[in-house]
Amino acid sequence: DTAVSQTPKYLVTQMGNDKSIKCEQNLGHDTMYWYKQDSKKFLKIMFSYNNKELIINETVPNRFSPKSPDKAHLNLHINSLELGDSAVYFCASSQATLAGVQETQYFGPGTRLLVL
Amino acid sequence: AQSVTQLDSQVPVFEEAPVELRCNYSSSVSVYLFWYVQYPNQGLQLLLKYLSGSTLVESINGFEAEFNKSQTSFHLRKPSVHISDTAEYFCAVKRTSYDKVIFGPGTSLSVIP
Repeated sequence: DTAVSQTPKYLVTQMGNDKSIKCEQNLGHDTMYWYKQDSKKFLKIMFSYNNKELIINETVPNRFSPKSPDKAHLNLHINSLELGDSAVYFCASSQATLAGVQETQYFGPGTRLLVL
Repeated sequence: AQSVTQLDSQVPVFEEAPVELRCNYSSSVSVYLFWYVQYPNQGLQLLLKYLSGSTLVESINGFEAEFNKSQTSFHLRKPSVHISDTAEYFCAVKRTSYDKVIFGPGTSLSVIP
């Protein structure tokens, strides 16, 4: 009955590899997000999708490509991994209220990526 | 552009003592304000939020925050902390419905037995 789940939980890989992180939410939300949290706990949004359409795309290297096959899934593919990509990546989801406000975001447990 | 400042990166406090975690924001328009908590090795969870109405908002576990428009602040307080409150606390702000959420740098609260 997990609300927002991510796989894998831990990912250790070599520089230059390509990897994917998967995210699924069973809350029926219409908006999903990817965040990156660095070693100093600073949290920064990377992407946001609403009903499978990209609505927020921060200045993220184009080695990062999100894909939303349906409203319940938002995957993150990373090409040519670099040392600086090491971080914790969080998926989140939210739902607009009747007033149209996207309020609470529900976060997944995070994927800890270490690039060697 | 919006920004969020949390002046205290680390706050150690003894168990059962009161605590205040400070948050200031800058925005030229009205905003929605949030406090999220991140327990060790977990994702963030919403603690409380201010959207409109009463400027004092409360959470179910004893935290409260007050929106002060003139001082552009949204400080988080608890009159008596527990060991289980040890976590990272993030203040956040957003302008409109589909605008991105801007998170502050976080405050690490450590409750000492």
